Amino acid sequence: SYVLTQPPSVSVAPGKTARITCGGNNIGSKGVHWYQQKPGQAPVLVIYYDSDRPSGIPERFSGSNSGNTPTLTISRVEAGDEADYYCQVWDSSSDHWVFGGGTKLTVL
Amino acid sequence: QVHLVESGGGVVQPGRSLRLSCAAAEFTFSRYGMHWVRQAPGKGLEWVAVISKDGSKKYYADSVKGRFTISRDNSKNTLYLQMNSLRAEDTAVYYCAKSWDDSSGFDYWGQGTLVTVSS
Repeated sequence: SYVLTQPPSVSVAPGKTARITCGGNNIGSKGVHWYQQKPGQAPVLVIYYDSDRPSGIPERFSGSNSGNTPTLTISRVEAGDEADYYCQVWDSSSDHWVFGGGTKLTVL
Repeated sequence: QVHLVESGGGVVQPGRSLRLSCAAAEFTFSRYGMHWVRQAPGKGLEWVAVISKDGSKKYYADSVKGRFTISRDNSKNTLYLQMNSLRAEDTAVYYCAKSWDDSSGFDYWGQGTLVTVSS
């Protein structure tokens, strides 16, 4: 089965830029989606298909999928961005959706 | 605004069954694929199952295949998850979620319902 790998944790100071990566076999050929989940809340889609942003998501959130390394970038990080972030893809070989293990973003 | 509300969670003994429901509102339910995703306490997200908009296609995670059944009633705008032969490792918050095309992410989620499998 397809596996997505994320760093367990990322720490960043307020106002700086946080980058969260997502690894997987030939992931550059897949569309990657990103979710933010705060404690006790349902996940929220923040980036879809690598780099598109749903309405209502701040422009500080951006995504890329170049060099086979999808990355969620959060610019000018705020305390309210502290959350768990998950990447996700659809595995066409199995018709399964797969989540990464999640990355806990800590704002110092 | 899209609204998804799960219900049916609770405490159940190992080996028993439980059926979850997800009531959908404020969108044309019959036009979209729907999913169940779960999250064990303190753990990450795990995709469980998907059903196509007309109910003709269903796919399951290996961890639940043969035990869980996803279904939908488009006349009632409701998604279901029938869970049989429950195990302790099925303990989790179960979310229903909506997708907008065959490979898309999930643009709307319910608030989740907790299932605890314990004797």
